[in-house]
Amino acid sequence: DIQMTQSPSSLSASVGDRVSITCRASQSIHIYLNWYQQKPGRAPLLLISAASSLQSGVPSRFSGSGSVTDFTLTISSLQPEDFATYYCQQSHSTPNTFGQGTKLDI
Amino acid sequence: EVQLVESGGGLVQPGRSLRLSCAASGFKFDDYAMHWVRQAPGKGLEWVSGISWNSGTIDYADSVKGRFTMSRDNAKNSLFLEMNSLRSEDTALYYCTKDESGWLYYYAMDVWGQGTTVTVSS
Repeated sequence: DIQMTQSPSSLSASVGDRVSITCRASQSIHIYLNWYQQKPGRAPLLLISAASSLQSGVPSRFSGSGSVTDFTLTISSLQPEDFATYYCQQSHSTPNTFGQGTKLDI
Repeated sequence: EVQLVESGGGLVQPGRSLRLSCAASGFKFDDYAMHWVRQAPGKGLEWVSGISWNSGTIDYADSVKGRFTMSRDNAKNSLFLEMNSLRSEDTALYYCTKDESGWLYYYAMDVWGQGTTVTVSS
């Protein structure tokens, strides 16, 4: 199985900050890496697919980059509604494993 | 509106069975693969199983393989998860999700239900 490791596990930041979350795969997954945002009590929301493809309706302050084994989610200027937990997930092969999550708070 | 509504969760004793259902609406169900993803209380997301558009490919996480069976009824726009020999570690919120494609690979889960809670306890 492919292991996904996110860092950091938690991150404190302020409104307006630029933040980055990294995700590393245990083997090559090409660009088959997706990012989700989850707020407390809510279902996850797909932000970015295929490493860098922004989903419709997702603000442009979110961006994704990377390939092979190393990937990054960047939020260019944090807004109050961005404080949440973020997960990466590989869809290169089953089981479609998730990272352990990164909790972003103030 | 694209929607997924899970049902069938509840409190069950260890070793017993439970069947989850997911009703899909607002999209052409038989074009897309579907997945079950779970989240234990206070924990992260865990992919449980996935099924291709035509049920030709079904796969499971090692943690549930041999105990859980996933199926779909395209005529009824419905997805199912039969869970047998339940363990305390199966306690979680179970989400039904839609894939962006008809297969289990390369694409993301773009629609999620609100989940149904399964609690395994004596």
